[in-house]
Parts: sequence; structure tokens; C-alpha cells
Amino acid sequence: QQQVKQSPQSLIVQKGGISIINCAYENTAFDYFPWYQQFPGKGPALLIAIRPDVSEKKEGRFTISFNKSAKQFSLHIMDSQPGDSATYFCAASLGTGFQKLVFGTGTRLLVSP
Amino acid sequence: DTEVTQTPKHLVMGMTNKKSLKCEQHMGHRAMYWYKQKAKKPPELMFVYSYEKLSINESVPSRFSPECPNSSLLNLHLHALQPEDSALYLCASSQAMDRGRNQPQHFGDGTRLSIL
Repeated sequence: QQQVKQSPQSLIVQKGGISIINCAYENTAFDYFPWYQQFPGKGPALLIAIRPDVSEKKEGRFTISFNKSAKQFSLHIMDSQPGDSATYFCAASLGTGFQKLVFGTGTRLLVSP
Repeated sequence: DTEVTQTPKHLVMGMTNKKSLKCEQHMGHRAMYWYKQKAKKPPELMFVYSYEKLSINESVPSRFSPECPNSSLLNLHLHALQPEDSALYLCASSQAMDRGRNQPQHFGDGTRLSIL
């Protein structure tokens, strides 16, 4: 019940296309859903995050869609660029004073020029 | 550049050595975390410190010993590690809950550890 399932495992998108990564969870106690972007040799960087009282959040080319009833959330990258090529992790959080993140398995995105 | 600084960036050590990893943040965060990340896998939580007290130990072997000397510093002391401990070790920090809401967790770029 603590798992977060992420798909696809890898994704190839043409430059200018839309990249979509999906995550699903079981534990309804999760109350915070961040997405992290990780480049080789670097730590995960917070990209965008959403709370369950909101169905969508947009920051620039990045949008999170959140479906509370289905217990699913997704990341959409509009106008994908080669610089977006990285590994993306969704996560879900439980916390009382600190934050215990449960990560998805990751998606390796390659944006072809 | 990240606001969580980890040193060293790379470390090679033998199985009998003792070494320490260091993490520093100056964002005023009162929660700090150690993660282990293997290649092509998500980070795995090891330890959580909240207000300089150890709050979570995810059943980590005793050859890993965390320390939080003050609210800005987090150390991970290593002793008698095994080859399977080779991984990227990540430090992260976050604010405490704000009005009952979780706050973002910020990661450093990690220490790449290789055990010979």
C-alpha cells in the first residue's frame, strides 16, 4: 500500500512533442505529490508538486494532472526539448513534521532532436 | 547549483576504511535526510533527522552511522562497508510542516561512493 507505480519505464519523444508520465498510488493518506527530474551525475531536482485538493497545476511547460478518485497523477511536458532528456521520478509523501517520500520507479525520457 | 552541498563528490574506500560524508544546508530547514541510490533506481530513504534528532532509521546496517551536529550539518560515518554499498549517497533537507502541510524536499548532488 506504500508503493507508487510509475509508467512507462522509458519514453522517446520527438522535439516539440508532448511527454506524458503516469503514476498511481494506493494509500489515500498521501498528501503531497512531487515530481523530480534527475540528470546523470546530479541529485534529483524538484520540478513541480501538487496537493490532493487541486486537480491540475501548471508551471511553464510542465503540468501535473491529479485524479483523486482514481488515485492517479501524471506529468505532462509540453513542447519537449532535448534538454528535458533526464530521468523523472514521481513521489508521494506522508509526513508529520518531516516528509517521508515514496518514489516511483522512474522514467527515462529521451527527446530526440 | 543546489542549495544542499555534499562533500566529497567522489569517494573510493576499502572495506576496512573509515570515512565520513558531509552535508550542509543554509536554508533554515529543520529536517534532513540521507538516501542511497543505485544506478537506474529511485532513491531509498536511510535516515531522517527532525530538529537534530534521529526520527527514522530504515533498518540500515550499523556500518552506516548518521550524525546531526547542528541544524545545518548532517554527517554519515562509514565503517567496514561492503562492495554492495557502492552507490550514490544523497542528502536532502526540508522545512518542517507549515500549517499542517508538507514542504518540498531539496536534494544535494550526492557523493558517488565506490567500495573496493
